[in-house]
Amino acid sequence: DAGITQSPRHKVTETGTPVTLRCHQTENHRYMYWYRQDPGHGLRLIHYSYGVKDTDKGEVSDGYSVSRSKTEDFLLTLESATSSQTSVYFCAISERQGAYTEAFFGQGTRLTVV
Amino acid sequence: AQKVTQAQTEISVVEKEDVTLDCVYETRDTTYYLFWYKQPPSGELVFLIRRNSFDEQNEISGRYSWNFQKSTSSFNFTITASQVVDSAVYFCALSEVAGGSRLTFGEGTQLTVNP
Repeated sequence: DAGITQSPRHKVTETGTPVTLRCHQTENHRYMYWYRQDPGHGLRLIHYSYGVKDTDKGEVSDGYSVSRSKTEDFLLTLESATSSQTSVYFCAISERQGAYTEAFFGQGTRLTVV
Repeated sequence: AQKVTQAQTEISVVEKEDVTLDCVYETRDTTYYLFWYKQPPSGELVFLIRRNSFDEQNEISGRYSWNFQKSTSSFNFTITASQVVDSAVYFCALSEVAGGSRLTFGEGTQLTVNP
């Protein structure tokens, strides 16, 4: 199994509060991704990183920011959580930048915004 | 823009039945990759298979088989002699060359195999 750890695994937070989710990998993979999973939508890409300090937006980036100061850590921040951000968040890593490269996923973080 | 459609939201079968999960995709690229992932009740995503757009050979791995047809833009997944442990959500996904390893997922199909 790929060494990917997401924390926390579960979180309940109030609307309007900032929230940070952490993804930590031990594989030394260059590429890291944040997806959210919602019923009827599958998984959708929020942000991704192609190296330390190099990040870019995905399909559903509004309301989210990311940071990557070390190869092994990729942080996702909800600047002011809203109920529409209640979701399951998955971190993924891949070794190479290529359409052929499979991504490996963390266990997910279930976030509830009340 | 690329799109993946899994029209079957839920499928329920009895153990030992064969079941096919459908996946239809849209892309403008001539080079792309298709994937299937499994999400068991425990919640993690497990990589099952990757195919590239130039390889239309069907693939079989144990009870699993995949049928890729470019003419119909489909990449269907068949489980033969299904088992209760196959119960999971299955996702089909697409990556384009321009997108690197960023994935576009279908909505997922919940498969329930009853004893």
